[in-house]
Amino acid sequence: DTEVTQTPKHLVMGMTNKKSLKCEQHMGHRAMYWYKQKAKKPPELMFVYSYEKLSINESVPSRFSPECPNSSLLNLHLHALQPEDSALYLCASSQEPQGAEAFFGQGTRLTVV
Amino acid sequence: GESVGLHLPTLSVQEGDNSIINCAYSNSASDYFIWYKQESGKGPQFIIDIRSNMDKRQGQRVTVLLNKTVKHLSLQIAATQPGDSAVYFCAENWGDTGRRALTFGSGTRLQVQP
Repeated sequence: DTEVTQTPKHLVMGMTNKKSLKCEQHMGHRAMYWYKQKAKKPPELMFVYSYEKLSINESVPSRFSPECPNSSLLNLHLHALQPEDSALYLCASSQEPQGAEAFFGQGTRLTVV
Repeated sequence: GESVGLHLPTLSVQEGDNSIINCAYSNSASDYFIWYKQESGKGPQFIIDIRSNMDKRQGQRVTVLLNKTVKHLSLQIAATQPGDSAVYFCAENWGDTGRRALTFGSGTRLQVQP
């Protein structure tokens, strides 16, 4: 199983809503990542978890709150988002906390209205 | 190629031709590089990787070349097929143990004409 599964695939939320994005992998990877991708742009790193501990936060606004409940799951909690936060949110995992060959999920297409 | 504003640089090739996609990376401390392919509506898909102690690596129909002197990476695709049409990103990796992650380049759109 070389799959990273993200749910939901699409999400529309209002600026006062609270929602969560979920990511799951069963490859035994101990590094997991959240990236944000705007149209026609490359993925931009948001957060890195290494052995379930947050190791990198790329100065992401606090309205995005990551959580890693165990080695297979990664969540991104969303609250009070802005329309400019609309983007494709990608989860990835890699075999070691070295950013080596990272496997990506299909992403959650988020629209903030 | 590098993107400017909202426009991805585009490489248009005929089916069966060879394609070369270029990437300039930013950090001389980067020691691991990956090429990803991203089709519309999908996440990036691993194509091939190379470590900084190598200057060339070959896969099936793909070759990656690394020139550390000028911080340049290229992806060569042999006998390009319509299914190769996608956006291609190079990604570089650096950092201390436990604090490493991939940083992506701007991307190039490959269009294969039948």
